[in-house]
Amino acid sequence: GNSVTQMEGPVTLSEEAFLTINCTYTATGYPSLFWYVQYPGEGLQLLLKATKADDKGSNKGFEATYRKETTSFHLEKGSVQVSDSAVYFCALRHTGGFKTIFGAGTRLFVKA
Amino acid sequence: GAGVSQSPSNKVTEKGKDVELRCDPISGHTALYWYRQRLGQGLEFLIYFQGNSAPDKSGLPSDRFSAERTGESVSTLTIQRTQQEDSAVYLCASSLELNQPQHFGDGTRLSIL
Repeated sequence: GNSVTQMEGPVTLSEEAFLTINCTYTATGYPSLFWYVQYPGEGLQLLLKATKADDKGSNKGFEATYRKETTSFHLEKGSVQVSDSAVYFCALRHTGGFKTIFGAGTRLFVKA
Repeated sequence: GAGVSQSPSNKVTEKGKDVELRCDPISGHTALYWYRQRLGQGLEFLIYFQGNSAPDKSGLPSDRFSAERTGESVSTLTIQRTQQEDSAVYLCASSLELNQPQHFGDGTRLSIL
């Protein structure tokens, strides 16, 4: 079946450090891939997405590239800020489908 | 309001009691979804509503779970005879139409004692 696996947290970094949160998936066909973010006290928000192989999604300095050969969609940011502290969810959804499969979430703490 | 609103934000109840969770979607959104997230796990789809079509109940974990939606407005998720395993955060989302980006509420944290 379809599934999403992301690295366990929490991840603790100092401000301006480089961030990578790994995400791999198992799915038939060609799903769309997403990263959602949940800031403290708020609901989930879509951070970025990619709909086909080799697409790169980007937003707010975050990037993720859809790698079909490695079934991965790792989230990266070159220089994190304290305000990036949140829980990050990797997710997939099949084209034409509505069910979104989420990973367990990775909590990020950024220290000043 | 501008976003998806869920109430209550927290609910603590005794095993065996019934609970009702409410979701107010974004105005104009025809699709509404309910998810459950247990501690340390990903979101688990429960049910969705699309316009006036019959809801897809395939994700409901047992017959103790039911949900209703009046037209394209508020939805309620009801859990009867709650069990400790029902403890989780229940998230509601809505989208303009099916397959459009989903907007999530803040969730209801349900704790069964």
